[in-house]
Amino acid sequence: EVQLVESGGGLVQPGRSLRLSCAASGFTFDDYAMHWVREAPGKGLEWVAGVRWNGNSIGYADSVRGRFTISRDNSKKFLYLQMDGLRPEDTAFYYCAKEIPKHTTGDAFDIWGQGTMVTVSS
Amino acid sequence: SYELTQPPSESVSPGQTASIICSGDKLGDKYVSWFQHNPGQSPVLVLYQDYKRPSGIPERFSGSNSGNTATLTISGTQAMDEADYYCQAWDSSAAVFGGGTKLTVL
Repeated sequence: EVQLVESGGGLVQPGRSLRLSCAASGFTFDDYAMHWVREAPGKGLEWVAGVRWNGNSIGYADSVRGRFTISRDNSKKFLYLQMDGLRPEDTAFYYCAKEIPKHTTGDAFDIWGQGTMVTVSS
Repeated sequence: SYELTQPPSESVSPGQTASIICSGDKLGDKYVSWFQHNPGQSPVLVLYQDYKRPSGIPERFSGSNSGNTATLTISGTQAMDEADYYCQAWDSSAAVFGGGTKLTVL
């Protein structure tokens, strides 16, 4: 079964850091680009960052560029999001998502994890 | 930055056809995906590359994209289709989501 499982969310004070993880199973992880997408309370979906199958970054949303870093470990089948300088507006449910096509990007996200909640508050 | 605009809400009677639009500059030149999202659950891809349905998505879901507007159409809408729907496209190596449309089936 194709599955993505996020972890690492929690309550953190403004300015602090948090690292999210996403464990992949059921597919050849290093064939696909992977992404983080978030949903703040009462808001819609927002793409956060993406990484190509080979570890090269696709890009970041303007709202997180310079503070967040996306990475992956293909040998362990894990996707990560290092979040530094967290702000209250980063409070959201964070999902990892897989892209459809092999060895390319710019297409749809066909598999999503269940998400992990990040709350930034003092 | 690129923006996708959706109406905040739409309503439809059971068995009728629901249409949800997504607008963006020259959107017809891009591929559009549509996601169904229920509270407390993960988003589900219902259409990609404008009109293609992933495995397991009912045939009542269809789509089109031309000019500045993409449309998600649900024929014979069922109560289980009540959800938030988001369009998504790519622009300058960034994924962009619309603001979402809450579809009410009543």
